[in-house]
Amino acid sequence: GQQLNQSPQSMFIQEGEDVSMNCTSSSIFNTWLWYKQDPGEGPVLLIALYKAGELTSNGRLTAQFGITRKDSFLNISASIPSDVGIYFCAAMNYGGSQGNLIFGKGTKLSVKP
Amino acid sequence: SQTIHQWPATLVQPVGSPLSLECTVEGTSNPNLYWYRQAAGRGLQLLFYSVGIGQISSEVPQNLSASRPQDRQFILSSKKLLLSDSGFYLCAGRWGLGYTFGSGTRLTVV
Repeated sequence: GQQLNQSPQSMFIQEGEDVSMNCTSSSIFNTWLWYKQDPGEGPVLLIALYKAGELTSNGRLTAQFGITRKDSFLNISASIPSDVGIYFCAAMNYGGSQGNLIFGKGTKLSVKP
Repeated sequence: SQTIHQWPATLVQPVGSPLSLECTVEGTSNPNLYWYRQAAGRGLQLLFYSVGIGQISSEVPQNLSASRPQDRQFILSSKKLLLSDSGFYLCAGRWGLGYTFGSGTRLTVV
């Protein structure tokens, strides 16, 4: 079945450092999403990408929809302690009767003050 | 705006007891609804999804069942809980191009 390979699995960084994580797949998708999950909470949508090659920013976050439609990355600049959490990539082919999202396994981010 | 409500937030149940987790939707109609389980704070496993009232699809064989008695209500159930049913359960709804998640229920089976 379709799978998303998300890396790295975990990151331990110093406050102020930049962060980069990515997701790849052998399948083509027309929608890529990035979510953040705080401990004990549900995931919250950070950025949505709907067009191959699209580069979108949300504050210190930047994400890109790969030109091949098989990958996406998320960058966080100048990390702060509240960036701690698990980041999930997700993808789907919107337009089908289900449009079920497929999720990566997550990147756990720890930030040292 | 659309909101997913889940309750309870935490639940401790003995092995063999029944389960009923409820998810309700506010702010839209006819959403696709989903139940996910998350073990050990990592990946999301899709358990069930529903495209309408009374329509349930199961993604993995398991000890749980789901029902959608109303358009904006999605229920996750079990007749007899197992230890392996412990986890963090998330309800999600899809409207158009996005998914919105509820705040989750932490289930511990003892």
